[in-house]
Amino acid sequence: DIQMTQSPSSLSASVGDRVTITCRASQGISNSLAWYQQKPGKAPKLLLYAASRLESGVPSRFSGSGSGTDYTLTISSLQPEDFATYYCQQYYSTPTFGQGTRLEIK
Amino acid sequence: EVQLVESGGGLVQPGRSLRLSCTASGFTFGDYAMSWVRQAPGKGLEWVGFIRSKAYGGTTEYAASVKGRFTISRDDSKSIAYLQMNSLKTEDTAVYYCTRDSTKTRFWGQGTLVTVSS
Repeated sequence: DIQMTQSPSSLSASVGDRVTITCRASQGISNSLAWYQQKPGKAPKLLLYAASRLESGVPSRFSGSGSGTDYTLTISSLQPEDFATYYCQQYYSTPTFGQGTRLEIK
Repeated sequence: EVQLVESGGGLVQPGRSLRLSCTASGFTFGDYAMSWVRQAPGKGLEWVGFIRSKAYGGTTEYAASVKGRFTISRDDSKSIAYLQMNSLKTEDTAVYYCTRDSTKTRFWGQGTLVTVSS
């Protein structure tokens, strides 16, 4: 199985900040990577797929990049509704998730 | 509108069995793979497994943690996917989500809680 290592595990930031979350795969995944946002008590929401493709309806302040084994999610200017937990997921082979990044208000 | 509704969760003793159902609507069910993802209380997401559409053989894949104990099946005539869980362990306690597709997934159910405890 492909292991996904996500960092940091938690992050404190302020409204308006730019934040970056990283995800490293244990082997190359050819951009077969998705990012999800999850709020307490809710199902995850797909934000990006194919490493950098923005899901319909997701604000453009969310962006993704990377290649090979290393990928990043960037939120360009944090909004109050962005404080949540974020997960990466590879689907190059049988899917696996990163352990999550909890984004908290500073 | 795509809707996925899980049912069948509850409290079950270790070693017993439970079957979850995922009733789908709003799309041609038989054309899509269906997956199960779980989340233990306060923990992250764990992919459980998926079943391919009949066009791709209807075959299944499972996470190592559930392989040999869990079985995913589907009834395309009823638009329902099932997760049969046998030999349940306390560590199987989680919210179980049904999702459409076997790769990235934009459609999730609301989840059903399974608690394994004596």
